[in-house]
Amino acid sequence: QKEVEQDPGPLSVPEGAIVSLNCTYSNSAFQYFMWYRQYSRKGPELLMYTYSSGNKEDGRFTAQVDKSSKYISLFIRDSQPSDSATYLCAMSAQAGNNRKLIWGLGTSLAVNP
Amino acid sequence: DAGITQSPRYKITETGRQVTLMCHQTWSHSYMFWYRQDLGHGLRLIYYSAAADITDKGEVPDGYVVSRSKTENFPLTLESATRSQTSVYFCASSAPKRETQYFGPGTRLLVL
Repeated sequence: QKEVEQDPGPLSVPEGAIVSLNCTYSNSAFQYFMWYRQYSRKGPELLMYTYSSGNKEDGRFTAQVDKSSKYISLFIRDSQPSDSATYLCAMSAQAGNNRKLIWGLGTSLAVNP
Repeated sequence: DAGITQSPRYKITETGRQVTLMCHQTWSHSYMFWYRQDLGHGLRLIYYSAAADITDKGEVPDGYVVSRSKTENFPLTLESATRSQTSVYFCASSAPKRETQYFGPGTRLLVL
């Protein structure tokens, strides 16, 4: 069993929909949680960063961490065709121990006009 | 404002040849990483470096060699390329005590 599980999709939604992307993990030591967005034929880019539990909001994007359930989510409100990309979750157990980023496989999202 | 660059962006080679992929960052980040990304496997760490002259193996280091004589450069060498090394290779960097990594645009390598 992988340390981080992420449904690869693909997920297809109409423009304006609310999108929910999720990852589950097994290592209770994870404290640092990230979401990256990767456009086709590009490198991943950092989208959201969260420490420990709780919510973080940035514009149309909200990241949630539920450590009791070992579950993280990324919500995209009012989704746009420009949000079409692969979304990867990543997490880490120790501060500064950044060689230990553990990655999900990524979820492919298509937002249709 | 170059950030992190990789060269070449595309490379075709033959089995048994030596190939070097280049990575250069302008942020003076101490940590640098090499990943490969394959369908069904996601991002897998090949090697990483905590500083100049300090490197360590990641999840899939076999067949690869790295060096880091300068903070800003982190070349990855495939000593004798195999078809299984056909992949997209990403270089990334991060600052000390920061979990977030910043990625280059990638190199698409095809080994025939």
